[in-house]
Amino acid sequence: KAGVTQTPRYLIKTRGQQVTLSCSPISGHRSVSWYQQTPGQGLQFLFEYFSETQRNKGNFPGRFSGRQFSNSRSEMNVSTLELGDSALYLCASSFAGGPNVEQFFGPGTRLTVL
Amino acid sequence: AQSVTQLGSHVSVSEGALVLLRCNYSSSVPPYLFWYVQYPNQGLQLLLKYTSAATLVKGINGFEAEFKKSETSFHLTKPSAHMSDAAEYFCAVSDNGSGNTGKLIFGQGTTLQVKP
Repeated sequence: KAGVTQTPRYLIKTRGQQVTLSCSPISGHRSVSWYQQTPGQGLQFLFEYFSETQRNKGNFPGRFSGRQFSNSRSEMNVSTLELGDSALYLCASSFAGGPNVEQFFGPGTRLTVL
Repeated sequence: AQSVTQLGSHVSVSEGALVLLRCNYSSSVPPYLFWYVQYPNQGLQLLLKYTSAATLVKGINGFEAEFKKSETSFHLTKPSAHMSDAAEYFCAVSDNGSGNTGKLIFGQGTTLQVKP
């Protein structure tokens, strides 16, 4: 079974631009979560989607948004990029979400904002 | 609110020595706890999880962790380190206060160095 895939793997943008990252979960998984990883703040939860509905949201500004499609693929969008948005963005999927289930992580998209 | 503290951002051991990575949690409800490993340029891989079934949890690659409620700890151990264990390790707790969601709260991570 294929793992979680994220595209693109690397991205370079300039301040003020917007960016869209994509995540394809493991086949059959309906829950997708996004995390931001930076050296200073560590791993921080962005949001979780389940069956096309946002089920939970972290403490990030409204410039960060996401969505999930009917095939469970998910995208996250960051508008008006700032230097501090440079990070590794990780996507994780699980069959039904929930607090006690294993989440499978993708390799991440490394975003550099210049 | 749940939180996780990992003691020691860097741990160095010799190959064959005991690995001990420390994790303390704070939770007002019975926690679900996880240890993940991250190799360079890769995502996170689950090593093991505690979901209240047994206090001693065995995971992959010879790792195990013991849940100690009295100490609010969930330390990760491995009897004998291998060079391939060099990576960053994250302890995480599920945010049970968010309902039936998978939100994980991570510690700051511990980088394990294994010396030959």
